[in-house]
Amino acid sequence: EVQLVESGGNLVQPGGSLRLSCAASGFTFSSFEMNWVRQAPGKGLEWISYISGSGSTIYYADSVKGRFTISRDNAKNSLYLQMNSLRAEDTAVYYCAAHSSGLKFAYWGQGTLVTVSS
Amino acid sequence: QSVLTQPPSASGTPGQGVTISCSGSSSNIGSNYVYWYQQLPGTAPKLLIYRSNQRPSGVPDRFSGSKSGTSASLAISGLRSEDETDYYCAAWDDSLSSWLFGGGTKLTVL
Repeated sequence: EVQLVESGGNLVQPGGSLRLSCAASGFTFSSFEMNWVRQAPGKGLEWISYISGSGSTIYYADSVKGRFTISRDNAKNSLYLQMNSLRAEDTAVYYCAAHSSGLKFAYWGQGTLVTVSS
Repeated sequence: QSVLTQPPSASGTPGQGVTISCSGSSSNIGSNYVYWYQQLPGTAPKLLIYRSNQRPSGVPDRFSGSKSGTSASLAISGLRSEDETDYYCAAWDDSLSSWLFGGGTKLTVL
């Protein structure tokens, strides 16, 4: 069974940093493209970053480009999101989501809450 | 404001059918597949439709997707009370090199 478990969400002050993790199990992690998607309270879904299975191809949404860094460790079956220069508008539940071939965002974690506030 | 435009709300009565639209442009829907997701309150989204009109295993055939030009639609037939929740479309945008989600549509089953 495919399982994705996010962790690392917390309350952080504006300008601060946070690192999110997503632990994967139940599938060959290195074969799956991965994403981070966030959802602000009461709002819709916002894609923020993508990484290919090998890690060689990475994309970011303009809203986080230059501040967030996606990475993966296939040996540890883990996906990461390093978030710097956090702003109040980054407050959201952050989901990791996996593509499975033609099935995009086929698998999702339960999400981890990041709150940016002083 | 989302680049993929969905109506904020839709409604129907039990047993009826309803259609939710998703409008984009030539760089996203016009040239790529569309995906649809259902999100129940407090839970992660679930893939409903992939490659514009395909259903993953386990998704009832009451749900169907279509695409024409720069617009796509999710049709739900035989509405049930458990269908009352949020629905999102998504597509890759070639110009932005980004995935885009629609703003979401809240479906009410009256």
